[in-house]
Amino acid sequence: EAGVAQSPRYKIIEKRQSVAFWCNPISGHATLYWYQQILGQGPKLLIQFQNNGVVDDSQLPKDRFSAERLKGVDSTLKIQPAKLEDSAVYLCASSSGDRDRMRGYTFGSGTRLTIV
Amino acid sequence: EDKVVQSPLSLVVHEGDTVTLNCSYEVTNFRSLLWYKQEKKAPTFLFMLTSSGIEKKSGRLSSILDKKELSSILNITATQTGDSAIYLCAIYGGSQGNLIFGKGTKLSVKP
Repeated sequence: EAGVAQSPRYKIIEKRQSVAFWCNPISGHATLYWYQQILGQGPKLLIQFQNNGVVDDSQLPKDRFSAERLKGVDSTLKIQPAKLEDSAVYLCASSSGDRDRMRGYTFGSGTRLTIV
Repeated sequence: EDKVVQSPLSLVVHEGDTVTLNCSYEVTNFRSLLWYKQEKKAPTFLFMLTSSGIEKKSGRLSSILDKKELSSILNITATQTGDSAIYLCAIYGGSQGNLIFGKGTKLSVKP
């Protein structure tokens, strides 16, 4: 089965600019996650979707970050305007049911974002 | 607040050494504990543990969970340079049912 696809792989932008990331989960996986991993930290959950509905976005900085999952498949994560502290790797992951989630998620290869 | 604490944060060893990485947690609604290896960007799955005292093994890597002590260890024997990576501990649980990660242990294996 194909894995979780993410693009772009790398992005460098200036502060105050906007950026968008794309994720295509494994076919049939209802749950999709966006994680932010700052250098030296573990991944932090930004938002969790179940199909096209938001389950948890409590740690998403909503003044600048937005995410959507139209049609319950692909998802985009946007940052506008970017700040220096947004430099991080953005990981997308997906899972199917609860049993699958207990075994962890399947992660995409991530996008490394650098804000200059 | 749910938290996962890993120690040490970084470790430098020589090839052939044995290392033990630690993970402790305070997470509501614990379902499972997972260990991941992260070399570049994407974490790759190593082990899932749900029951105390049962050791999971894969080659030179092994892990065990102590639910009474709310902790787990990951052992790597006869380390190789290819073991150099960040090792992440995560708990599946919490109020919303998702993965909560520790900060990771950065392991460097010198030839």
